[in-house]
Amino acid sequence: EPEVTQTPSHQVTQMGQEVILRCVPISNHLYFYWYRQILGQKVEFLVSFYNNEISEKSEIFDDQFSVERPDGSNFTLKIRSTKLEDSAMYFCASSAGGIGELFFGEGSRLTVL
Amino acid sequence: GQQLNQSPQSMFIQEGEDVSMNCTSSSIFNTWLWYKQDPGEGPVLLIALYKAGELTSNGRLTAQFGITRKDSFLNISASIPSDVGIYFCAGQSQGTSYDKVIFGPGTSLSVIP
Repeated sequence: EPEVTQTPSHQVTQMGQEVILRCVPISNHLYFYWYRQILGQKVEFLVSFYNNEISEKSEIFDDQFSVERPDGSNFTLKIRSTKLEDSAMYFCASSAGGIGELFFGEGSRLTVL
Repeated sequence: GQQLNQSPQSMFIQEGEDVSMNCTSSSIFNTWLWYKQDPGEGPVLLIALYKAGELTSNGRLTAQFGITRKDSFLNISASIPSDVGIYFCAGQSQGTSYDKVIFGPGTSLSVIP
C-alpha cells in the first residue's frame, strides 16, 4: 500500500541551527502538507503546497519556515533558525485532491536544545 | 479563526461497550473527517463526510455530518483493545480553500479488557 515516508524519524539540534525535514509523498498525489504536534497537544496546520507553490499557511508558519519540492518527489520543510518552542513532532501529509482526505507519514520528532 | 471542539476529552470504557464522541464548531464546515492516532504514529483517516446529514459507516465505526454543518459525531460499536488511541475530528470550513484542513484537540480513548 502506498505510504508517505518521512526522514529523519528523530533529530536533535541546538537552538539557532537550521533543520531540514524531508518527506516523500504518495506518488500520484498533488497536494502536500506539513503539520506539527507538540507533545500531548493537537495536530496544528502549518502549510499546504500545490502546483509548486504555497496555497495556504498558518500564523505559525512565519519567515523562519520554508517549504520546497526540489526534485518532483521530495517535499521538504526547512526551519532556518530553530527555537526551543519548535520542538515537536512534524507530520507530512499528501492528498490526491480529495477534499481533506490526507494521508500522513509517521512523523519526524524534532528536539531543540 | 476556525476552531473545533471535541468532547469528551478522554474516556475509559470496558471492552465490548459502545463509544460516542462529538465534534463541534462555531463556524460552518464543508467537510468533516475523523482520524485516529496511535502513539508515535501519524493520524490515519477513518471516515470522511461531505454532505450535511450524511451518515457513513466503516466497519464498527459510524459517523454523521450534522445538519447544521457545525457538528459531527463518531460512534464505535463493541469496542476492542485495539481501538485505544486518540480520535481527532478535522474539517475544511466554508470560505477557505480546500487546502487547509484543521484538527480538533482530540478524544483519548482507553479500553479496559
